[in-house]
Amino acid sequence: GIQVEQSPPDLILQEGANSTLRCNFSDSVNNLQWFHQNPWGQLINLFYIPSGTKQNGRLSATTVATERYSLLYISSSQTTDSGVYFCAVDDYKLSFGAGTTVTVRA
Amino acid sequence: DAGVTQSPTHLIKTRGQHVTLRCSPISGHKSVSWYQQVLGQGPQFIFQYYEKEERGRGNFPDRFSARQFPNYSSELNVNALLLGDSALYLCASSLGTSGGAGELFFGEGSRLTVL
Repeated sequence: GIQVEQSPPDLILQEGANSTLRCNFSDSVNNLQWFHQNPWGQLINLFYIPSGTKQNGRLSATTVATERYSLLYISSSQTTDSGVYFCAVDDYKLSFGAGTTVTVRA
Repeated sequence: DAGVTQSPTHLIKTRGQHVTLRCSPISGHKSVSWYQQVLGQGPQFIFQYYEKEERGRGNFPDRFSARQFPNYSSELNVNALLLGDSALYLCASSLGTSGGAGELFFGEGSRLTVL
């Protein structure tokens, strides 16, 4: 199956800082999603992005399908951004990476 | 509009018992998928159903089964529970019309503890 690697595994930020999370995948995919998992376990949709760039408030994502990677940018981070961020690729099912745990300190 | 709803939210079982988890998709969505997430890992695909037919199955033993009803809700059943089945079970719904998994929307999950 497709391998999905996320980096870094852990990220500690000071409130207001910017950061970039990376997702590499091993084969062509139909699509890609980014999620934020809140402390109660729910996966919140951030982006559905097969290619190109999308922005939603302080978050943006870029997927370069031909080079098999996607980036998630968090700008002006807030404590509410803390949690685990997952990248998942669509190869007729979602295959998830191991996640990046983000901690934003006030 | 209601999102994906799952029940129960938490449950505790003992080894050897069976469990049934339930999921109602977003209105208009015809596909339901189930994922298992153990602590510290990303979710793992268990099943996908579309229009009551199994569309995909992950690498899980036959103790795991599922079905989808005419109203598109779904049940996940796990028999002969093992300690290793302790996990968060996530249900996701999608339109199901794309060739792939489609854009998935997840419920809050059912947290199963097996003692």
